[in-house]
Amino acid sequence: DQQVKQNSPSLSVQEGRISILNCDYTNSMFDYFLWYKKYPAEGPTFLISISSIKDKNEDGRFTVFLNKSAKHLSLHIVPSQPGDSAVYFCAYLTGANSKLTFGKGITLSVRP
Amino acid sequence: KAGVTQTPRYLIKTRGQQVTLSCSPISGHRSVSWYQQTPGQGLQFLFEYFSETQRNKGNFPGRFSGRQFSNSRSEMNVSTLELGDSALYLCASSYQGATEAFFGQGTRLTVV
Repeated sequence: DQQVKQNSPSLSVQEGRISILNCDYTNSMFDYFLWYKKYPAEGPTFLISISSIKDKNEDGRFTVFLNKSAKHLSLHIVPSQPGDSAVYFCAYLTGANSKLTFGKGITLSVRP
Repeated sequence: KAGVTQTPRYLIKTRGQQVTLSCSPISGHRSVSWYQQTPGQGLQFLFEYFSETQRNKGNFPGRFSGRQFSNSRSEMNVSTLELGDSALYLCASSYQGATEAFFGQGTRLTVV
C-alpha cells in the first residue's frame, strides 16, 4: 500500500508561470515532509521541508503548503525556470531515525 | 566539504552473482541509509545504519544486506542477483536527528 502518492506523473509549465506539484499521504504519524529534486544521473537534492505542526514554509521561489485535514501537501514554484525541469519527490520522515518514505515522483518540464 | 561518495558509479553483473556497493558519507555524518530506485517502484528504503548498527530495515529479501564501519563508511551487498535487482542504488547520509539527508550520485546496477 503506497503511503505517499504523487498521482500526476508529469507536469508541463511555461517559464515564468507557477508550478504546483501535489502529494497525498495516508499515514498521519509523521514529523516532517520533505521535497527532493532529482536530475538524471544524479542523486536527489533537498529542496524544502515542512514540520507537521506548520501549514506553510517558504524558501525563495519555493513554498510548501500542508493541509493535514485533507492529508495533502503541495509545492509551489514561482516563477518557474527551465532549470527547474527535473523529477520532484515528496517524502515523509518519522521519528528519530532517518527513514524517508517517498512518493513515486513527478516529472516537471518548464518550457522556455 | 566533500559530498556523499558512492562507488562504483556503474556496474554490470550476471544473474546469480553477488555485488558489493560502497558509500562514504559526509564527514561527521553517522547515519547512512540506502535506497533502491526503479522506474516502477520509485525510491524504496532498504536499510539505515547508525554507529555500525542497523537501526531500520525496509521490505527487501535477505539477499540484501549491509554494514557500517567505525569511520561511518557503509557497504551494501546483494547476493544471488536477479534481473529485477537492476536499479539505481542511492546512499544518503545525515546527522543524528537531522531532517535533511544528503544523497550520493548512486550506483547504477544492471543485471544481465
